[in-house]
Amino acid sequence: DIVMTQSPDSLAVSLGERAAINCKSSQSVFHGPDNKNFVAWYQQKPGQPPKLLMYLASTRESGVPDRFSGSGFGTDFTLTISSLQVEDVAVYYCQQYYGTPYTFGQGTKLEIK
Amino acid sequence: QVHLQQWGAGLLKPSETLSLSCAVYGGSFNDYWWSWVRQSPGKGLEWIGEIHHSGKTHYSPSLKSRVTISVDTSKSQFSLRLSSVTVADTAVYYCTREEDARSGWFGVVDSWGQGTLVTVSS
Repeated sequence: DIVMTQSPDSLAVSLGERAAINCKSSQSVFHGPDNKNFVAWYQQKPGQPPKLLMYLASTRESGVPDRFSGSGFGTDFTLTISSLQVEDVAVYYCQQYYGTPYTFGQGTKLEIK
Repeated sequence: QVHLQQWGAGLLKPSETLSLSCAVYGGSFNDYWWSWVRQSPGKGLEWIGEIHHSGKTHYSPSLKSRVTISVDTSKSQFSLRLSSVTVADTAVYYCTREEDARSGWFGVVDSWGQGTLVTVSS
């Protein structure tokens, strides 16, 4: 199985400041022939199922604010929120879908400082 | 707009079989893979397995010996059975839709059921 490891486990950021969450995969999730990194990011708020934010490591899902961005290649990926808003308080998960079993990171809890 | 509605027993005793079902409303049932994901405090999000309308399945190796996912295309439904449950299987179970339009590959989960809390306790 591909292990996805997120850092940090929790993060407190002031409103309007930048937040960055890292995700490292135990093996590359880059598919050369397609030139794609098969990583997705999800946001989960209490009492709700996760919501898709990003796929192919850096493509925003429709309707996701542009303060969210994704980057990375191969084994190292980052989800960045450029200016934290109150509604961004949540737990964030990365996921690899390079191959089954699809696996998720352990989650990063984002709070307001 | 797709809607996934799931149901099943929420309280089990150790050694019993977990059984959940999920009905899909809206969208084309045959264009996606359908999967189950569970979430427990100790292990976060865990992908259990997936099924295609053709009946083809993939399971997580860690659960493969106890899992069966089946499909009823006539009803646009799919189901999960997990045998010989233990306390470690206590979790919120979600039925989900995996799509490939965004990436060219399946695996991105774009729709989730409401979740079912399954508690295993003697």
